[in-house]
Amino acid sequence: DTEVTQTPKHLVMGMTNKKSLKCEQHMGHRAMYWYKQKAKKPPELMFVYSYEKLSINESVPSRFSPECPNSSLLNLHLHALQPEDSALYLCASSLTGLPISGDEQYFGPGTRLTVT
Amino acid sequence: SQQGEEDPQALSIQEGENATMNCSYKTSINNLQWYRQNSGRGLVHLILIRSNEREKHSGRLRVTLDTSKKSSSLLITASRAADTASYFCATVLNAGNNRKLIWGLGTSLAVNP
Repeated sequence: DTEVTQTPKHLVMGMTNKKSLKCEQHMGHRAMYWYKQKAKKPPELMFVYSYEKLSINESVPSRFSPECPNSSLLNLHLHALQPEDSALYLCASSLTGLPISGDEQYFGPGTRLTVT
Repeated sequence: SQQGEEDPQALSIQEGENATMNCSYKTSINNLQWYRQNSGRGLVHLILIRSNEREKHSGRLRVTLDTSKKSSSLLITASRAADTASYFCATVLNAGNNRKLIWGLGTSLAVNP
């Protein structure tokens, strides 16, 4: 299984809502990532988990809260988002962790988030 | 911060032609990777080339790396309409324990049937 899955595919939420994005991989990868991508721009790294521990937080606002319940799952909890947070949120995984070696990343299809 | 710069920003060719995209970077790298993204979807890893390699092939894809010029190119031969996508290069720096990808701005390729 070489797939990273993400749910939901689309999400519309108000600025006072709380929602969660989910990501799953069963490739035995030890590093998992959240990216944010705006239209026609490259992905922006948000968080990296290595062996289920947060390794990198790219100074992301606290209204985004990541969670890694186990080695296969990665969540992104959303609360009190702003309209400018509307974007494609991508999850990715890679084989090695501790340290994260820079090997190829496998991406999920993304969640298209709209904040109204 | 963006390390890679890609050119051209946009490229339009006819089916069957070859497409070449270039990526330049500023600092010493561990490896350089190319990814493809179809419209509004996830990225797909194409090729990883290490700093001690000069050329790699995968099917119709050929990637070169010139560390003296700090540049890489991606050649897609005999292009197809299905190759229409955005292509990103991403570098992994030599410094630091946790190596993250530093993304270029991407090249948008349109292959016309």
